[in-house]
Amino acid sequence: EVQLVESGGGLVQPGGSLRLSCAASGFTLSSYSLSWVRQAPGKGLEWVAYVSGTSTTIHYADSVRGRFTISRDNAKNSLYLQMNTLRAEDTAVYYCARDVDYYENSGLFYYFDYWGQGTLVTVST
Amino acid sequence: DIRLTQSPSSLSASVGDRVTITCRASQTIGSSLNWYQQKPGKAPKLLIFAASNLQIGVPSRFSGSGSGTDFTLTITNLQPEDFATYHCQQSSTLPWTFGQGTKVDIK
Repeated sequence: EVQLVESGGGLVQPGGSLRLSCAASGFTLSSYSLSWVRQAPGKGLEWVAYVSGTSTTIHYADSVRGRFTISRDNAKNSLYLQMNTLRAEDTAVYYCARDVDYYENSGLFYYFDYWGQGTLVTVST
Repeated sequence: DIRLTQSPSSLSASVGDRVTITCRASQTIGSSLNWYQQKPGKAPKLLIFAASNLQIGVPSRFSGSGSGTDFTLTITNLQPEDFATYHCQQSSTLPWTFGQGTKVDIK
C-alpha cells in the first residue's frame, strides 16, 4: 500500500526556519517525481515545489523560490522541504504528493495520485 | 501563470442529483486537467486525470470531459459520501495551478 507521511510542522516566528519531511512506503521512491503542495487555512491548493526521481530536475513556485529547498533521499525513502525566511503567508497545511507521468496518444500528462495527510506550519509571533 | 476558474464556488444538492462543475483555464491546456475531491481535514484524492480518465477505484458516477480551456466534472446520482470540495488542476505548464475549489453540500 502506498503511504506518504509528513512530519516537521509546527509554530515558528516570522523569519524563522523549519524542515518538513515526508516518509514514503509501498513503492520504489526513485521511480517517481514528488511535489509539495500547500493549503492556507480556508483557501485553495497551491503547488510549491517539484523534484524528479533522481533529483536532476527541480522546480519552485515563484512565491517560495530562493527561500525553500526541496530535496530527497531515495535510500531513506524520504522527501524534504527546507523552509527559510518564513512569512505569515506561508502558514498552511503542507502535503507531499506523488507525481505520475502518464503517456497517451495525445501526449504526456502529469497528475498527483497519492497524497500524505499533511502537516501544519504556522508562522506567527 | 495559468489561472483556473471554477464555477460555481459552491452548490447545494440532494442525494440522487446530477451535479456539474466547470473549470475554465486562462489559456489552452489541451487535456492536461485533473480533478480532486477533498473532505474537511483530509488530503485531496485524485478522481480524474488527463481530463477524462477515471482513476482506479473511483466510482463510475464521476466523469470528466473537455479540452482546450473548458472542462467539466459531472457526478451522476450524487451519494452522501460525495459531499466535499472539488478542485481542478492544470499540469500543462509550470507552475501547476489549481482552481479555487467548488464546495458541494447537502440541500
